[in-house]
Amino acid sequence: EAGVAQSPRYKIIEKRQSVAFWCNPISGHATLYWYQQILGQGPKLLIQFQNNGVVDDSQLPKDRFSAERLKGVDSTLKIQPAKLEDSAVYLCASSSTGRGGYNEQFFGPGTRLTVL
Amino acid sequence: LAKTTQPISMDSYEGQEVNITCSHNNIATNDYITWYQQFPSQGPRFIIQGYKTKVTNEVASLFIPADRKSSTLSLPRVSLSDTAVYYCLVGDDSGGYQKVTFGTGTKLQVIP
Repeated sequence: EAGVAQSPRYKIIEKRQSVAFWCNPISGHATLYWYQQILGQGPKLLIQFQNNGVVDDSQLPKDRFSAERLKGVDSTLKIQPAKLEDSAVYLCASSSTGRGGYNEQFFGPGTRLTVL
Repeated sequence: LAKTTQPISMDSYEGQEVNITCSHNNIATNDYITWYQQFPSQGPRFIIQGYKTKVTNEVASLFIPADRKSSTLSLPRVSLSDTAVYYCLVGDDSGGYQKVTFGTGTKLQVIP
């Protein structure tokens, strides 16, 4: 079974520039998550999709961050314009749904963003 | 969301058993307890999940007392490759979508 794919793996940009990250979840997984992980901290949920609908974006800085999940499969996270404090690893995860309890999240390798 | 509290860091020698305890005093009836492992430059990886009593798999054991206000991840005979950050999560998806939060985790350093 193929895992969660993310690209690019690394990105360096100047502040005020724009950047986009791409995620391809595990086939058949209805739920997709984007996390921001700052060095030394745990992952922080930015946005969660169920199929192509948003179920939680309460921690997404909507003035500069946006995300979409077209056709309930791939997803793109965009930052425009970037700030120095956006330097972090951006993790994408996916999970299946349908059974009771908690469904395991499968994480991609992440994209390391450096804002100069 | 139930908040979790875990030690920031732990050291252990190779071959020893390591127990990492997580406190989750306001755990809800529908919540499950899940542990993830994260190596540097990688995304977190699921280790084990439980609801009550004891769960064991090929990697670890999870002990949950009757009141479920805490849980203990047990790693038998650790090796250098177990050096990682371990996260305790509490949550469920009974509301139609999952509601969990990662804390700061416990950084385990295995010493030769």
